[in-house]
Amino acid sequence: EPEVTQTPSHQVTQMGQEVILRCVPISNHLYFYWYRQILGQKVEFLVSFYNNEISEKSEIFDDQFSVERPDGSNFTLKIRSTKLEDSAMYFCASRWREEKIEAFFGQGTRLTVV
Amino acid sequence: GENVEQHPSTLSVQEGDSAVIKCTYSDSASNYFPWYKQELGKGPQLIIDIRSNVGEKKDQRIAVTLNKTAKHFSLHITETQPEDSAVYFCAAYNSGGYQKVTFGTGTKLQVIP
Repeated sequence: EPEVTQTPSHQVTQMGQEVILRCVPISNHLYFYWYRQILGQKVEFLVSFYNNEISEKSEIFDDQFSVERPDGSNFTLKIRSTKLEDSAMYFCASRWREEKIEAFFGQGTRLTVV
Repeated sequence: GENVEQHPSTLSVQEGDSAVIKCTYSDSASNYFPWYKQELGKGPQLIIDIRSNVGEKKDQRIAVTLNKTAKHFSLHITETQPEDSAVYFCAAYNSGGYQKVTFGTGTKLQVIP
């Protein structure tokens, strides 16, 4: 069964460093998302991406964050200068199109900023 | 925007008993209500969903109900088993376009053998 894959599974980085989280959405899906889950809290929306541009972003998704779909298969989330409070699980998700409304989530990348 | 409330935050049941998790949503434009199960260290996995044109849906031991008027929806798990232990999230969104999933706050279910 197709699945959303994310790498790495765990990333440790020093405060102020740049990180790139990678995702391979399910093939033929058209809508892509990043979500964040701080330990013990709910899953929060960061950004949605469709047709090679951001469709919507939350207030969490400030200028330190960016997304890219560089080659038609990967979908990346970049954090330019990490802060301690960026430590969280980051989930990538994808959806096919409107008539297939289920969103499928990856296993997540645990980001630890020290 | 959409706001989803979920109760209870923790739930302990004896194996074989039923578990019920309740959610409310705020945006009347939401028309799709999935439920996700999240096991430790893993991403949310869709276990069942319901659309706004349906009042109830059942899949083996899991059932969901939806009251559109009251903006309530619930997850019912019968004959619980230890492997049902996980965090469950309800969610709501409008299925049109790129709409984001808005999650509830989660319920940690513990099934005691």
